[in-house]
Order: sequence, then C-alpha cells, then structure tokens
Amino acid sequence: TQLLEQSPQFLSIQEGENLTVYCNSSSVFSSLQWYRQEPGEGPVLLVTVVTGGEVKKLKRLTFQFGDARKDSSLHITAAQPGDTGLYLCALPLVGSNYKLTFGKGTLLTVNP
Amino acid sequence: NAGVMQNPRHLVRRRGQEARLRCSPMKGHSHVYWYRQLPEEGLKFMVYLQKENIIDESGMPKERFSAEFPKEGPSILRIQQVVRGDSAAYFCASSPGLRETQYFGPGTRLLVL
Repeated sequence: TQLLEQSPQFLSIQEGENLTVYCNSSSVFSSLQWYRQEPGEGPVLLVTVVTGGEVKKLKRLTFQFGDARKDSSLHITAAQPGDTGLYLCALPLVGSNYKLTFGKGTLLTVNP
Repeated sequence: NAGVMQNPRHLVRRRGQEARLRCSPMKGHSHVYWYRQLPEEGLKFMVYLQKENIIDESGMPKERFSAEFPKEGPSILRIQQVVRGDSAAYFCASSPGLRETQYFGPGTRLLVL
C-alpha cells in the first residue's frame, strides 16, 4: 500500500512568517499534486510536479519535488491570513491513472 | 464555466434512513469520481463513473452504498440504512478525460444521528 505522510499535522504562525510543510511517500512516485482545502470547501489544485528535483513557484508558494521522487515540500514566504487552510498532497495510486491517494494534510493557520 | 456542483451541502439523517448525494460535473466533463473524507483521515477514493457506466467501484463499501451517473442528470451517491460511521464529507470530482486533472466540488457533509 502506497502511503503519504504529511508533516507537520498542524501549524499556527503569525502573518509575515515563512513556513515549510512536507509530504513523504513510502515508495517512488511518478507525479504528485498539492491541493489547498478551505473550511467547508473542496480541495483546489495548486500544482502538479512530475520531474525529480523540479521546483515550481506560484506567487509566494514554492513547491519542490525530491530528487529521489519520494518526497515533496511546499514553502510559503511571508504567509498571509488568506493562506489559511488544509494543505494536501496527493498522487495517483500505483497502477491507476485516476485513483488519487491523499495524505491527511497540514492544517495551517495564519494569524493576523 | 461553473465548477462542480454538489447538493445538498449539508445533510442530516437518522440511523437507518437513506442519504442521496448529488453531483453535477463541470460542463464538458464526462468522468466523475467520488471520494470520502472521514474525520482525521485523508480523502479516500470510492468510485469512478462515466455516463451510464460504473468503471471502478473498488473503494465503495460492499453493502449499502451505490452510485450512478445516468445519461441525463447528475451523478448520485446513495447510502442506504445509514449508520453513524457514515458521517463524513463526500466529495465529487470531475475531469474531461481519464488522465486529466480532477476538479473537486465543495462536498456534502453528512451527519448521521
């Protein structure tokens, strides 16, 4: 069974601080997706990373895919209250094109 | 282009009742997926459907749960004789093709009393 572990589980910071959250897999994966889920809403795709060592930037968010393709990180610079939410990583199950398996997420709270 | 629509957003049922959750995919999307998010758990795949066909229901509990995606109208996830353990958020996602990005709806929060 392919597992995704996310850390930390909870993170509460002040506006303006930087932070990094992590996603680790028990096995090598071909691609990985990051989502943000706001309270009472569904997950919204932020980015898909597919190449080992790949770095993608989305405004203040920087996503990195580990060289060994077993881990990924999300770094947020100068966090804002609007960044508050549950950050989820997900990847297709081995042997499937459509079954996504999700980590339990990191619940981020950015206090004004 | 409206996103994935789900209704109701919140549903309260007593044990033994039936729950019917509806999902309208994005315009032009013919692939629908249902996921369940239990408290303290990640989202879990339940079922994948195309119009009038169940493609993969390997994540569905063997009893009481069923899904359909008729030629006309929304996809329906049906839970018969609900139990407290069915309380969860149920999300529908849709995609235009098999290997393409899945877009999620806002979910239905089911509470079984």
